[in-house]
Amino acid sequence: AQSVTQLGSHVSVSEGALVLLRCNYSSSVPPYLFWYVQYPNQGLQLLLKYTSAATLVKGINGFEAEFKKSETSFHLTKPSAHMSDAAEYFCAVSPAGNNRKLIWGLGTSLAVNP
Amino acid sequence: DAGITQSPRHKVTETGTPVTLRCHQTENHRYMYWYRQDPGHGLRLIHYSYGVKDTDKGEVSDGYSVSRSKTEDFLLTLESATSSQTSVYFCAISEAQGPGDNQPQHFGDGTRLSIL
Repeated sequence: AQSVTQLGSHVSVSEGALVLLRCNYSSSVPPYLFWYVQYPNQGLQLLLKYTSAATLVKGINGFEAEFKKSETSFHLTKPSAHMSDAAEYFCAVSPAGNNRKLIWGLGTSLAVNP
Repeated sequence: DAGITQSPRHKVTETGTPVTLRCHQTENHRYMYWYRQDPGHGLRLIHYSYGVKDTDKGEVSDGYSVSRSKTEDFLLTLESATSSQTSVYFCAISEAQGPGDNQPQHFGDGTRLSIL
């Protein structure tokens, strides 16, 4: 069965530091990949998506992610953290050819310290 | 932002009572989803719909039923609520046109349901 693993349920960085949130997936066929962000008491908002057009994907709020097939990874990065980036981040996988169900990671809570 | 409205936003009810949550969209999207979110479990799919009167079960469908009589509305019903169904419920929609169209999902703001 396909799965998504987000390494680190909690990540803490200082304001201005690099943000790196890890996502690994298991799939025999390169899937479609998504990162979502959830602010407190809100729904999930799409940050970016990988659909095989380019391995480096740029999203909203200065985030980007790189698809690495050899490592089955889709890590999310931001060069300089801002206090407003504090939120829960979810990685999700949509198996190629089957969009009916997304496979979700358990999420990573990002704290940004002043 | 996708036009998704969930109602009610908050509800407190008692064990054994029926509860219906509503998801309304203004995007005319074909696919709609119901999730629950619980600490330590992330998002879990309850049911989804791929068209009017076309629905299917997700991974945690026991104790829940859904209906979709119109494109814009997707209802989630707890026939006899239990305390284990206390959760935050999210509706999502997707503009995918078919099984091979991997479009992202867009989420509503959620319903916080407490069952005492």
